[in-house]
Amino acid sequence: RKEVEQDPGPFNVPEGATVAFNCTYSNSASQSFFWYRQDCRKEPKLLMSVYSSGNEDGRFTAQLNRASQYISLLIRDSKLSDSATYLCVVNVHGGSSNTGKLIFGQGTTLQVKP
Amino acid sequence: NAGVTQTPKFQVLKTGQSMTLQCAQDMNHNSMYWYRQDPGMGLRLIYYSASEGTTDKGEVPNGYNVSRLNKREFSLRLESAAPSQTSVYFCASSDRGLFNSPLHFGNGTRLTVT
Repeated sequence: RKEVEQDPGPFNVPEGATVAFNCTYSNSASQSFFWYRQDCRKEPKLLMSVYSSGNEDGRFTAQLNRASQYISLLIRDSKLSDSATYLCVVNVHGGSSNTGKLIFGQGTTLQVKP
Repeated sequence: NAGVTQTPKFQVLKTGQSMTLQCAQDMNHNSMYWYRQDPGMGLRLIYYSASEGTTDKGEVPNGYNVSRLNKREFSLRLESAAPSQTSVYFCASSDRGLFNSPLHFGNGTRLTVT
């Protein structure tokens, strides 16, 4: 089983739609969670961190469910410019301040159509 | 402010050839990383450097070597390229401690080994 799993999609939605992605993680020691956005043939960029209480940034809402070990990303009022691949990233801390690792999911592709 | 700069952007090698991928950041970040990205695999960590003068193996270090030349520069060397090393390579840096987001990525190097 992969440490971080995402549905690769693609998710094809019309402009204005609401779309949600989930990401599951297997390591219960995971401590920090993030969503990155990656445009075609470009580098990944941080979209938002995911906090325990859930957080919102404009049209984007991220949530964490520790009990079920998943995080989610909700995009409201989808725009054409939201078309991209969304990477789920999990930080597993090691036993000391200088250890740990970041695990990247393979990404979920979103295509927003006119 | 250029951020993270990688060179070259594209490279084609024959099996057995060697090359060095260069990476430099101008954000005064302590931690630097080399990842490779392959379809369906997510980003995988090759090597990382917590600070100037230190380097450590990541998830997939075989066939690679690195040098943290100074705080700004972190190079990745392929001594004898193999077709399995065909991939997109990303250099990244971070300023919030090792493996803490956000990671700032370079534009990537597309390497093909024939």
